[in-house]
Amino acid sequence: AQKITQTQPGMFVQEKEAVTLDCTYDTSDPSYGLFWYKQPSSGEMIFLIYQGSYDQQNATEGRYSLNFQKARKSANLVISASQLGDSAMYFCAMSPRMDSSYKLIFGSGTRLLVRP
Amino acid sequence: NAGVTQTPKFRVLKTGQSMTLLCAQDMNHEYMYWYRQDPGMGLRLIHYSVGEGTTAKGEVPDGYNVSRLKKQNFLLGLESAAPSQTSVYFCASSYSGGPYEQYFGPGTRLTVT
Repeated sequence: AQKITQTQPGMFVQEKEAVTLDCTYDTSDPSYGLFWYKQPSSGEMIFLIYQGSYDQQNATEGRYSLNFQKARKSANLVISASQLGDSAMYFCAMSPRMDSSYKLIFGSGTRLLVRP
Repeated sequence: NAGVTQTPKFRVLKTGQSMTLLCAQDMNHEYMYWYRQDPGMGLRLIHYSVGEGTTAKGEVPDGYNVSRLKKQNFLLGLESAAPSQTSVYFCASSYSGGPYEQYFGPGTRLTVT
């Protein structure tokens, strides 16, 4: 079964500190993509970062990095130097390549609150 | 570019009523998707389309129909709304299938009473 698990329903972080949001996945597909999206209280879905299953290096995008551990089937999001505007829901998602729809399979999300 | 737009933003229906949600994208994307988001859950795929004139079922298709008569538009229909269809509906689009991000619309909040 294809599944994404996010075990942290909610997290707090102090402003300017780093935080790691956990994500584990389950798939039998050898080729897949992993994504992180941010959903602020306004409701829109904002793409943050992408990691391909065959990428040798961990993806980085500004203050976001993805700690990809393929053997452990984990794709944790690291946010460095947290800002108040980072307070939001964060969703991990997977897109198996064998599935011709290239749909996104989402986890249940982690709500991050940044404290001033 | 407007990106992905959805109409309407909010809607309240009574049980048994019908409605159509419109999604439009101006990025010339081939793939389009309809997801629903329920409280405490991630998004789940309802239907999708890999090109103009094509549609296919996703994970939770029951009670919904879709059409993609034009490449830029993807319509989601509810023929007889039920309270279980109260949700936030997101449309998304992407380039041809592959390791590409999906671009999401702002969502439609639907309440069925």
